[in-house]
Order: sequence, then C-alpha cells, then structure tokens
Amino acid sequence: QKEVEQNSGPLSVPEGAIASLNCTYSDRGSQSFFWYRQYSGKSPELIMFIYSNGDKEDGRFTAQLNKASQYVSLLIRDSQPSDSATYLCAVTALYSGAGSYQLTFGKGTKLSVIP
Amino acid sequence: ETGVTQSPTHLIKTRGQQVTLRCSSQSGHNTVSWYQQALGQGPQFIFQYYREEENGRGNFPPRFSGLQFPNYSSELNVNALELDDSALYLCASSLGTSGRGTDTQYFGPGTRLTVL
Repeated sequence: QKEVEQNSGPLSVPEGAIASLNCTYSDRGSQSFFWYRQYSGKSPELIMFIYSNGDKEDGRFTAQLNKASQYVSLLIRDSQPSDSATYLCAVTALYSGAGSYQLTFGKGTKLSVIP
Repeated sequence: ETGVTQSPTHLIKTRGQQVTLRCSSQSGHNTVSWYQQALGQGPQFIFQYYREEENGRGNFPPRFSGLQFPNYSSELNVNALELDDSALYLCASSLGTSGRGTDTQYFGPGTRLTVL
C-alpha cells in the first residue's frame, strides 16, 4: 500500500508569517511530487511540482524534496488570508500490475492564516 | 480555470441505482484519471485512461467502470450505488507524454454525488 502522510492540522499562522507544510511518502520509487491547494467545496488546484532533490521556488512558494528521507515540504512566505485552504501533497507511485505510475494523495493539511 | 469540465455539478441518487459522470479533458490532453474524494479525505485514485485504454486501476470494485472516447472525453459509471459512494468525484487530465502516469494532472470542478 503506497502511503502519503500529512499532518492534518489545522495549522494556524499569522498574516505575513511563513507557513511550513510537510509530507512523507512510503514508496522509494516515487518520481514526481506535487502540491495542490483545495478551497472548501472546490477541486484541487496545482501549486507546484518538483522532481529533483533540493528546493524549487515559485513566487511566495518553495517546494523542498529530500528523496533519501522520503520527505517533501511546501513553504509559503508572507502568508495571506487568501492562502487559507487545505494543502494536498501528491506523489506518483507505481501501481503493481498496471505498469504505470499513479497519483497518491495525502489527506491534506488545513491552513488558516489569521489576519 | 484548467479547461477540464465535468457534468453534472451535483447529483442525488438512491441506493442501488446507477450513475454516469462525464468529463471533458483540457485541449491536447490524452490521459484522464478519475478520483473519489470523501469528506475530510484526500482524493483516492479510481482509474486512468490513456488513449482510450485503461492504464491503471486503484482499489475500487468492478461496479466502478469507465470509458474514454476518441476525443479523449471520459465517463465514470457506478452501478448498484451504496451510501458510501457519496463523495466528490474528480476528473483530472494530463498530457500523457510518457503514457506512464507521471505527468502533471489538472483537475475539473468535480461532481458532488449524494446517495440516499
């Protein structure tokens, strides 16, 4: 069973602070790593993807990947109230018998940014 | 807006009935994946279609079936509905350059299914 673990939260940060979201995964063969944001009642929206070890920055968002530790994180700088949402970590894992990689999601971390 | 559309938006069915959900992919995308998201949970992979062929299936019973059409739109069919099938059903399309499922997936708005 491929697993992706996230702290369910809620994680509360004051406006302007850095929010740090963490994710671990069980399949060492995982190739691609994604962060999605999901507002209540809406569908997941892609924030970032990362394939290689290290950091990847996009505006206020930084994704960090450590394959040796099987750990992915997302940092949100200068957090805004509009960042309040559930953040889903997703990892591609090989589905045995299917011969293809499929996306496995964590349960998500709920982030609240307090004005 | 991802360019992925789903219909209907909401649906109410009773236990034992059958339902068909529809998805239109983003232009140029040949791969469609379907997910079930129960309240408070992450999306769970149901199956994926690549160029009209099933390309992988998650841990869902055979009463969950699908189709992909030549224009890459897709259907999810669920037979003999159970109360636990109540969820948000999400369709995601991807470019499918590898055919191996590693490409970035873009989600449609979802269909909220309620089974009474």
